[in-house]
Amino acid sequence: NAGVMQNPRHLVRRRGQEARLRCSPVKGHSHVYWYRQLPEEGLKFMVYLQKENIIDESGMPKERFSAEFPKEGPSILRIQQVVRGDSAAYFCASSPPWEKGGTEAFFGQGTRLTVV
Amino acid sequence: AQKITQTQPGMFVQEKEAVTLDCTYDTSDPSYGLFWYKQPSSGEMIFLIYQGSYDQQNATEGRYSLNFQKARKSANLVISASQLGDSAMYFCAMREGLDTNAGKSTFGDGTTLTVKP
Repeated sequence: NAGVMQNPRHLVRRRGQEARLRCSPVKGHSHVYWYRQLPEEGLKFMVYLQKENIIDESGMPKERFSAEFPKEGPSILRIQQVVRGDSAAYFCASSPPWEKGGTEAFFGQGTRLTVV
Repeated sequence: AQKITQTQPGMFVQEKEAVTLDCTYDTSDPSYGLFWYKQPSSGEMIFLIYQGSYDQQNATEGRYSLNFQKARKSANLVISASQLGDSAMYFCAMREGLDTNAGKSTFGDGTTLTVKP
């Protein structure tokens, strides 16, 4: 009964490096969402994906950020050329489709990215 | 305009007493869901309770209940018999368009609850 699995839990990157954050959804869930939480703030939506498709990326910064959810394997949030302002907690959530009772989204434990 | 408003940055409650955390929302979509999450100091997001816009009764889950007042667009969380372990940040969230596969949620800024012994 594994929940949403995110790894790594903590990630330290130097400015200019790339950060790759992984998210394995709950088994059977086809919808994945990525959120960012800056210190002392609520979660802000970044991107919503279904298998092999980006459904809504309205919250993604225009540059350096990308996300994918391949047919096989975890969803990946990729941040290129990280800057100090990217330091945050990144949460992944998954849910089944609405027609299968998909109301709640289940969150992973988050990846805390620190850019030094 | 803010879609989810939590007006209480911090709240204190005595152990074993009840506490209400406020949440108001704004949407023109007739189909939506309202969620409350708990975030302890360890950082994970813990789902507490869900209320659908078409649900006739207020949701309850153990010591948590959601006071859903649709006309006032409020979805307050009530925690009964507070425990020390309830001390955490609490987030209200809304997900619009439940009759489609559009699933992103909008979160409020959170309320920090401190339970006093």
